[in-house]
Amino acid sequence: GENVEQHPSTLSVQEGDSAVIKCTYSDSASNYFPWYKQELGKRPQLIIDIRSNVGEKKDQRIAVTLNKTAKHFSLHITETQPEDSAVYFCAAPGRGSGGGADGLTFGKGTHLIIQP
Amino acid sequence: DGGITQSPKYLFRKEGQNVTLSCEQNLNHDAMYWYRQDPGQGLRLIYYSQIVNDFQKGDIAEGYSVSREKKESFPLTVTSAQKNPTAFYLCASRVRGRETQYFGPGTRLLVL
Repeated sequence: GENVEQHPSTLSVQEGDSAVIKCTYSDSASNYFPWYKQELGKRPQLIIDIRSNVGEKKDQRIAVTLNKTAKHFSLHITETQPEDSAVYFCAAPGRGSGGGADGLTFGKGTHLIIQP
Repeated sequence: DGGITQSPKYLFRKEGQNVTLSCEQNLNHDAMYWYRQDPGQGLRLIYYSQIVNDFQKGDIAEGYSVSREKKESFPLTVTSAQKNPTAFYLCASRVRGRETQYFGPGTRLLVL
């Protein structure tokens, strides 16, 4: 099955600086990679996703890059703000389903702390 | 994801007791999923169902059971065989042909 590794487990940055979170995956058949943001006690919320036919996707201050050859993808947050403080999870399709129909395999999460 | 509801918000289980967590969606989504979240572990897949009357085991199905009698409902039963049930349980759903999974608000299960 799929194995997703996420680093770092904790990331502290100054407000206004950039933050980068990295994930690797093992199944070359995976073709969909979402990122979720989870605030304390809340449900995970999708913030951005990327499919394997593109190498980068941007949405305002958030971007995701994908390197299929190396099997890694990264989340980039620019001009960080206090409300960006949360736990971020990357995921990849589990169980060889390619697009995630059979569920997702998640990384263990990164606790992002924005220092004022 | 406002169309996915889970109840109760908190649930207490006594030793040897089976408990059932509810998940309902009014989004007309075809597939539904149950994940378990432990601190520092991320989310792990328990069971999933892509159509009514059919479901598959995920990575940690032991001690759990599900049913899918209606498209909008996917209840999860935590049986007495699950020896470490304390966790945050999240239900998710998606439309067939689309990858995005949307999560419900979760149920926190605690053992007395």
